[in-house]
Amino acid sequence: QVQLQESGPGLVRPSETLSLTCTVSGGSLSSSFLTWIRQPAGKGLEWIGRMYDSGSTNYNPSLKSRVTMSQGTSKNQFSLKLNSVTAADTAVYYCARESRITMTIVAIDIWGQGTMVTVSS
Amino acid sequence: DIQMTQSPSSLSASVGDRVTITCRASENIGTYLNWYQRKPGKAPNLLIYATSNLQSGVPSRFSGSGSGTEFTLTIGSLQPDDFATYYCQQSYTRPWTFGQGTKVEIK
Repeated sequence: QVQLQESGPGLVRPSETLSLTCTVSGGSLSSSFLTWIRQPAGKGLEWIGRMYDSGSTNYNPSLKSRVTMSQGTSKNQFSLKLNSVTAADTAVYYCARESRITMTIVAIDIWGQGTMVTVSS
Repeated sequence: DIQMTQSPSSLSASVGDRVTITCRASENIGTYLNWYQRKPGKAPNLLIYATSNLQSGVPSRFSGSGSGTEFTLTIGSLQPDDFATYYCQQSYTRPWTFGQGTKVEIK
């Protein structure tokens, strides 16, 4: 069973770069997307973007200028970088698997537990 | 972006009740609508994809229906394990967007 685990600093200074890693275990994400989602306290879920195993990416236009997703040297690790952070970026960040169920139907079927990131000086 | 609006935002129900949650999209999304359940301190769990398809392992008391802009999630007979927050999500056009959630509480 594929499992995902987020890791990274829980505190980031304003204007700096938030960096998170998602480690995949128990299998691969072949033919699936590695997706990042966040949820600020008291607010809704926000899709940040996704990366395919080919390396192609799709980002939320609202964050596109600040986001970079990549795959690590280890095939089972993926990273999220969000630069120029502000307090508005304080949230629980999830990595997840977005599976292509058919050519047009996708759904987020496996989620990590999430990691809280606070932006504060 | 497509706006997803759920109603109600919370509800109180008893074990055995039939519960219906509505999700409305700001534009036509066909049947590209997924539902998730989240329990406190846990990650969301996929319940239903493409409006009405039950994810493997999800009890049959959960069902989904709708198309276009209006969708429903129904829990046929509420069980103690079902008290949680439910989210809809459209996968019609990126960026994917979620409803704000419906919290189902014990009456």
